[in-house]
Amino acid sequence: AQSVTQLDSHVSVSEGTPVLLRCNYSSSYSPSLFWYVQHPNKGLQLLLKYTSAATLVKGINGFEAEFKKSETSFHLTKPSAHMSDAAEYFCVVSGPITGNQFYFGTGTSLTVIP
Amino acid sequence: GAGVSQSPRYKVAKRGQDVALRCDPISGHVSLFWYQQALGQGPEFLTYFQNEAQLDKSGLPSDRFFAERPEGSVSTLKIQRTQQEDSAVYLCASIENGQGNGYTFGSGTRLTVV
Repeated sequence: AQSVTQLDSHVSVSEGTPVLLRCNYSSSYSPSLFWYVQHPNKGLQLLLKYTSAATLVKGINGFEAEFKKSETSFHLTKPSAHMSDAAEYFCVVSGPITGNQFYFGTGTSLTVIP
Repeated sequence: GAGVSQSPRYKVAKRGQDVALRCDPISGHVSLFWYQQALGQGPEFLTYFQNEAQLDKSGLPSDRFFAERPEGSVSTLKIQRTQQEDSAVYLCASIENGQGNGYTFGSGTRLTVV
């Protein structure tokens, strides 16, 4: 069985300060892990993905995430928040086989204060 | 096409009405998925196609929901006798090869049942 827990439903940061969005996962086998971003009335956009290569994964727009197997975590970070980062973020876990469904967390809403 | 296209973008249906939602995946993408995203929630899996074969429909919430992909490209999600609890955003996603690439999502169809 697989599941994802996003530890914060809302995160608020000031522009220019670091962002940390927390995600813990549960998987019965080696997972693939993803972060997606969803801006209001827009589709889901892939930020980054982990697929058993390097544990530190760099994505678009300056985001990165670190896979920590011992902690079953895949937290998303960014050194300096920008106003355009305000959106809903989803952590996603999946199995290794094409066709394995993706399990989404409930999302973290990021607010960036000017 | 360049992306996953869904139509209509918005649909308002009276309770009891049948609706059909269309998805045009990225050309050449073998795998296609449908997800349902209720307000304030993460997307939840509905069904999965590989080419024209529906390999997993375990997420369809009732027998009022039906999906097809007869020629292995365009897919249609049909909901019969819509109920208020069917109100959600319906997302279509396609994937090229392998889970590691992540899905490409369409912008979704927002269904409101009144």
